[in-house]
Amino acid sequence: KAGVTQTPRYLIKTRGQQVTLSCSPISGHRSVSWYQQTPGQGLQFLFEYFSETQRNKGNFPGRFSGRQFSNSRSEMNVSTLELGDSALYLCASSLRDRGAEAFFGQGTRLTVV
Amino acid sequence: QKEVEQNSGPLSVPEGAIASLNCTYSDRGSQSFFWYRQYSGKSPELIMSIYSNGDKEDGRFTAQLNKASQYVSLLIRDSQPSDSATYLCAVNQAGTALIFGKGTTLSVSS
Repeated sequence: KAGVTQTPRYLIKTRGQQVTLSCSPISGHRSVSWYQQTPGQGLQFLFEYFSETQRNKGNFPGRFSGRQFSNSRSEMNVSTLELGDSALYLCASSLRDRGAEAFFGQGTRLTVV
Repeated sequence: QKEVEQNSGPLSVPEGAIASLNCTYSDRGSQSFFWYRQYSGKSPELIMSIYSNGDKEDGRFTAQLNKASQYVSLLIRDSQPSDSATYLCAVNQAGTALIFGKGTTLSVSS
């Protein structure tokens, strides 16, 4: 069974640009969550989607947005990139949205210069 | 603000010893508890889940949950150098996001 797939693995962007990250969950999983991981802040929750609906949202500015498609694949977008957005962005998929085990993809390493 | 607290470490143990990792959480309504292992440069890997008070054992790993004390722990028996990693505690309540602690770094010396 294939795991969670995130693309691309690495990105280098310039301040002010925008970026779109993609996540394909484990087959049959309908919940996708996104996290930002930095050395100082650890894993911080961005948002969670279940059956194309955003169920929860973390404390991030509106520059961070996401969506989920009917096949459960998800994308997150960051507009007007700032240097502080440099981080590892992790996607996790779950079978359901209530207390289920979450499995992470390899992550996308974003560097903003 | 829901919080999950872990001692950042590093926790250093000799090979073959028991490593004890601890986690406290602030949301008394939390219902699901997880431990993840993250090697440097890799993504978190789920190693244990626990939902009810008591102990849950899986191989060399034992998760312990005490909801009254809002405390969850992970014991690693017969620690191996390959167990050296950062261990993340994660907690959630039904319908809410999974919240992570900042992790405890474990170093097992041979």
